[in-house]
Amino acid sequence: GAGVSQSPSNKVTEKGKDVELRCDPISGHTALYWYRQSLGQGLEFLIYFQGNSAPDKSGLPSDRFSAERTGGSVSTLTIQRTQQEDSAVYLCASSLSGPRSGNTIYFGEGSWLTVV
Amino acid sequence: QQQVKQSPQSLIVQKGGISIINCAYENTAFDYFPWYQQFPGKGPALLIAIRPDVSEKKEGRFTISFNKSAKQFSLHIMDSQPGDSATYFCAARGDTGNQFYFGTGTSLTVIP
Repeated sequence: GAGVSQSPSNKVTEKGKDVELRCDPISGHTALYWYRQSLGQGLEFLIYFQGNSAPDKSGLPSDRFSAERTGGSVSTLTIQRTQQEDSAVYLCASSLSGPRSGNTIYFGEGSWLTVV
Repeated sequence: QQQVKQSPQSLIVQKGGISIINCAYENTAFDYFPWYQQFPGKGPALLIAIRPDVSEKKEGRFTISFNKSAKQFSLHIMDSQPGDSATYFCAARGDTGNQFYFGTGTSLTVIP
């Protein structure tokens, strides 16, 4: 596609349920990021994938959060046993190569998660 | 701990005026400073970026001023237009690691 595609765009879930958020990066982009944007907060780094290398999971806030990237393309962020504090916009981004390359990072429109 | 501190939280400017948004950081290892513009319902988009070896970068109506000794950088929007109304985020990249550190954002409203 022309840009980073995320789904669903909006998700309302009950506390304790699991959710999956999907990201389809720009074709050919080897680097993929997940960020979280809470109301009144900046973007919080969650996880980074680069090609077939082991992901940088240093930003995941708890073991309820996990992500995978299949075939070096589509990525899924999974939140287990959701809590109200998980309510936020989850942004996926991709770039041609890693953050040290200087390539522009392109963000998707985000998945707005509300936990009730 | 907020690695990049951004102010003001919100800003209202008359059309044609100058919008100024400020950011400060502590980590001297940061080596790349982008600004992102975000419209409602959209993801952030890169607006302009600067490296610490220059003090100013200008692209059209947008200018970044960078003060390495003070560890501060700012975005100036000249001749502000209603279409500039958006949320602006400053960010910084460390010389190691894979993440960008973002400020908390500034909501800019340009009044016609």
